Amino acid sequence: KAGVTQTPRYLIKTRGQQVTLSCSPISGHRSVSWYQQTPGQGLQFLFEYFSETQRNKGNFPGRFSGRQFSNSRSEMNVSTLELGDSALYLCASSPGQGTGRGYGYTFGSGTRLTVV
Amino acid sequence: TQLLEQSPQFLSIQEGENLTVYCNSSSVFSSLQWYRQEPGEGPVLLVTVVTGGEVKKLKRLTFQFGDARKDSSLHITAAQPGDTGLYLCAGARNAGNMLTFGGGTRLMVKP
Repeated sequence: KAGVTQTPRYLIKTRGQQVTLSCSPISGHRSVSWYQQTPGQGLQFLFEYFSETQRNKGNFPGRFSGRQFSNSRSEMNVSTLELGDSALYLCASSPGQGTGRGYGYTFGSGTRLTVV
Repeated sequence: TQLLEQSPQFLSIQEGENLTVYCNSSSVFSSLQWYRQEPGEGPVLLVTVVTGGEVKKLKRLTFQFGDARKDSSLHITAAQPGDTGLYLCAGARNAGNMLTFGGGTRLMVKP
């Protein structure tokens, strides 16, 4: 069973540019969540998509957006990049019934974004 | 301020020693999960605990969820160099899919 695939693995962008990251979840999983991981703040929740709808959103500015396609693949977009956006962006796949009921995430390896 | 406080932040021990990592909060969680992350990779789920007072064992790892579902601990017996990594606890507040992560405990086990 294939794992969670994130592309690209590494990305270097200039301030002011925009970037799109991609995530393909485990086959059959309908929920895709995105997290930002930095040394100072740890893992912070960005948003979750379930059946093409944003179901939860974290406390990030509107420059951060995402979407999910009918095949459950998801993309996240960051516009007008700032130096502070440099981070590891992680995608997490789950069946969708809720981590509160004990279903865990399967994470991808992440996309390391560096903004210069 | 972290909703989930993990301690210690760093731990360096010799192979064969025992250790405990703590995850504490003033909030109640419907479930709590532990992950381990290695450099350059995403976190890998170790265990999920759902019931207050629940204890789960995974080989040399023992996980406990507090009776009030506000805290958890991870105990490793006879640590090995392969246990080296970043250990993260994460809590779910409801039946939804959003997790709140602790700051992590970076463990190094020296041979």
